[in-house]
Amino acid sequence: GESVGLHLPTLSVQEGDNSIINCAYSNSASDYFIWYKQESGKGPQFIIDIRSNMDKRQGQRVTVLLNKTVKHLSLQIAATQPGDSAVYFCAEKDTGRRALTFGSGTRLQVQP
Amino acid sequence: EAEVAQSPRYKITEKSQAVAFWCDPISGHATLYWYRQILGQGPELLVQFQDESVVDDSQLPKDRFSAERLKGVDSTLKIQPAELGDSAMYLCASSSYTHEQYFGPGTRLTVT
Repeated sequence: GESVGLHLPTLSVQEGDNSIINCAYSNSASDYFIWYKQESGKGPQFIIDIRSNMDKRQGQRVTVLLNKTVKHLSLQIAATQPGDSAVYFCAEKDTGRRALTFGSGTRLQVQP
Repeated sequence: EAEVAQSPRYKITEKSQAVAFWCDPISGHATLYWYRQILGQGPELLVQFQDESVVDDSQLPKDRFSAERLKGVDSTLKIQPAELGDSAMYLCASSSYTHEQYFGPGTRLTVT
């Protein structure tokens, strides 16, 4: 994948605001998408997933939107909290494969 | 709650030395993955096992990396000889019949 080195895109929000993290993918054959949260020094943690036959899925405080026409995925976090501060990765799975292809991450910083 | 276990959590080794990482997936998970994550980037698949069989090792540098899952449960990833460019986080993940992958805490490797 394309390298972004140490300079991750950063989204800075105020505590209580809503956050939107975006992700573009390129593989038209991808049929499953996941958002992961990764805190410093830890492994990725599952947040929410969506299949390609859906365009929206909601969880607790999180919503994932999928636009297959423009190959775009977004993660919305409602009422962002300091504990939401982390790096967020989108990942996709190609039909016929089980391994995930991860996108470049976005660092979310929540200001108290 | 069941978790993926990895050890060691941290490893410092000199270049040209051999190093090994261990992973114990969630009980009952037939699929096991090893990913490498360079700082600031998303994880990239090294090898995927279905039970004891390798199903994808196309991105594994086979001249120096090897992986095994002899009894279809836990797995070992080995690097011999280690090179400076191998410094990264090595993540293990497992999944059952669903798409969702659960990640372990990772092993942070530093090659000096």
